[in-house]
Formats: sequence, C-alpha cells, structure tokens
Amino acid sequence: QSALTQPASVSGSPGQSITISCTGTSSDVGGYNYVSWYQQHPGRAPKLMIYDVSDRPSGVSNRFSGSKSGSTASLTISGLQAEDEADYYCISYTSSSTYVFGTGTKVTVL
Amino acid sequence: QVQLVQSGAEVKKPGASMKVSCKASGYTFTDYFMHWVRQAPGQGLEWMGWINPSSGGANYAQKFQGWVTMTRNTFISTAYLELNNLRSDDTAMYYCVRDVQGDMDVWGQGTTVTVSS
Repeated sequence: QSALTQPASVSGSPGQSITISCTGTSSDVGGYNYVSWYQQHPGRAPKLMIYDVSDRPSGVSNRFSGSKSGSTASLTISGLQAEDEADYYCISYTSSSTYVFGTGTKVTVL
Repeated sequence: QVQLVQSGAEVKKPGASMKVSCKASGYTFTDYFMHWVRQAPGQGLEWMGWINPSSGGANYAQKFQGWVTMTRNTFISTAYLELNNLRSDDTAMYYCVRDVQGDMDVWGQGTTVTVSS
C-alpha cells in the first residue's frame, strides 16, 4: 500500500485560505468516506482535525473544512493564523481493512 | 479522563526485538480498537496496524506482516507492540492510538525506540 500523495509544502499569509490535497486510489480515498486529517506541531502528538471526509470534532475551529472528489480529498484552512503553522497528514481506510497515511504537508504562515 | 500511557524509551541493537506497552485508562479498554503508528525522525506518520482488544484479532500493514505482533492484556487494560529483527531504520517514535469508529482520537505520549550498534 503506497502512501497517499500530498504536496510537501503549502504557504499563505495570515487571513488567507489554503487547500491541501490528498490523492489516493479507488482502493482507499476514492472507495470510502473514511478520510481524516491530523495536525502535528513539532514535538507533539498529532491532533484530529477532520474525520469522515468533512466532519469536525468538537473543539476544532470551523476554519478547518474537508471535502472529497473522486480519489482526492482536500483540507481547507480559511482565515489562516500563525497557530496553524504545522504539519498536516491525511489518512484513509483501505480495501484491505487497513489504513494508509499521506506523505504529509508542511504549512507555513508567511 | 481518557489516557494512554506508553512505556519508556528503548535503545536496541540491530537484530534485537522490542516490545512497547500502552496502558489505557478512563474508558472500557475492550470497547475500542487500538492503532499503532510510528514516525521516524523528521519523517511522516506510518500506520502499522490495529488490534481489537476484545477479541485479540489484529490486522497489520502489509509492510509489517511477518515481523510485527500486536497483543493485549485485558486484565490490565494494556496493549503491546512487538517488532522483531530491528534495523536502524526502525528508529522512530511509536504511538498507540485509540480508534473511535475509524478515527484516531486519543494518542499516547509516544515511545522513542533507537536502534544502533
């Protein structure tokens, strides 16, 4: 199972919106609505930001939103803030009843 | 509150085995699957597998099949990750993570495993 493909880095200015893509196949992202997104700050454990493609856990800012089209899922951060600077990972359930992470994206707030 | 507390850092020689523990508290251990995820220094997250603490059944990522074993002890609400024949590229932070309907909601603090001769 190959890792899902994410851009290595995405940047934006405070207040702007950015979108991170996560591309897989019909055996993972395209086949199931079980895509989640995690935020990881340096030296910290990852934090769940989006689950089931577009749902937000309680306590997560509504500036974070998720979507999916075909075999590509996306995470959008609107109203970018300094605290959003972190690494972001997608993960998808697969047809083998396993999971696969994305390659990770470093978000930089300019 | 829900908490996963992992065992301490380990240093191993190439070819050795490791066993990391993850003690759960604040919820019914057998009600939730447990994932294991690792992260090599400066690298991304890698899903290793998951275990059903109720049945003991486990499912591993293809890469780890044959050299990883996930087990549990329901009496002490603890999950274990064993990895055999360690190599230097197994040097990583290893996390246990609780599963809630397919999502990983609570993470352990991580266990650093260093493989070096």
